[in-house]
Amino acid sequence: EAGVAQSPRYKIIEKRQSVAFWCNPISGHATLYWYQQILGQGPKLLIQFQNNGVVDDSQLPKDRFSAERLKGVDSTLKIQPAKLEDSAVYLCASGRGRTNTGELFFGEGSRLTVL
Amino acid sequence: GNSVTQMEGPVTLSEEAFLTINCTYTATGYPSLFWYVQYPGEGLQLLLKATKADDKGSNKGFEATYRKETTSFHLEKGSVQVSDSAVYFCALSENSGYALNFGKGTSLLVTP
Repeated sequence: EAGVAQSPRYKIIEKRQSVAFWCNPISGHATLYWYQQILGQGPKLLIQFQNNGVVDDSQLPKDRFSAERLKGVDSTLKIQPAKLEDSAVYLCASGRGRTNTGELFFGEGSRLTVL
Repeated sequence: GNSVTQMEGPVTLSEEAFLTINCTYTATGYPSLFWYVQYPGEGLQLLLKATKADDKGSNKGFEATYRKETTSFHLEKGSVQVSDSAVYFCALSENSGYALNFGKGTSLLVTP
């Protein structure tokens, strides 16, 4: 079974520029999550999708961050304009949905550096 | 709201030493509890889990018991190996299908 795929693995941009991250979850997984992991901290949820609908985006800074999951499969996370404090690893995870016992499967992450 | 607090690292141990990483939680209901591990250069992966009080999760020699009375889920291993060097995250989920809330992580370094 293929794992969660993310790209790009690394991205360096200047502040006020834009960036987009892509995630391909495990086939058949209904739920998809984007987490932000700042160095030295635990992952923080940004947004959760169930199929192509948003379940929770309460911690997503909507003035600069956006995410979509078209057709209930792949997802993109966009930041525009980026700030210095957005430097972090962006993790995508997927799960089987409400029939599972909570296990999430994570990609390797996309590391963003904002200069 | 729900939250997880785990002991700060880094933790440095000699090979074959006993490991304990403390984790306590705050939750309004009866969450499921998890330990995830992040090896250098790899993604987060599930180490073990427990879904109700008094359950014990175990994997790769690691164990953790869901203690409702002390709201704890401490991770233990009787004899660590160099290959156990990683960052360990305690997490909770309020319900199946809900997102995980993570602690800050505890870095473990095991020396030969």
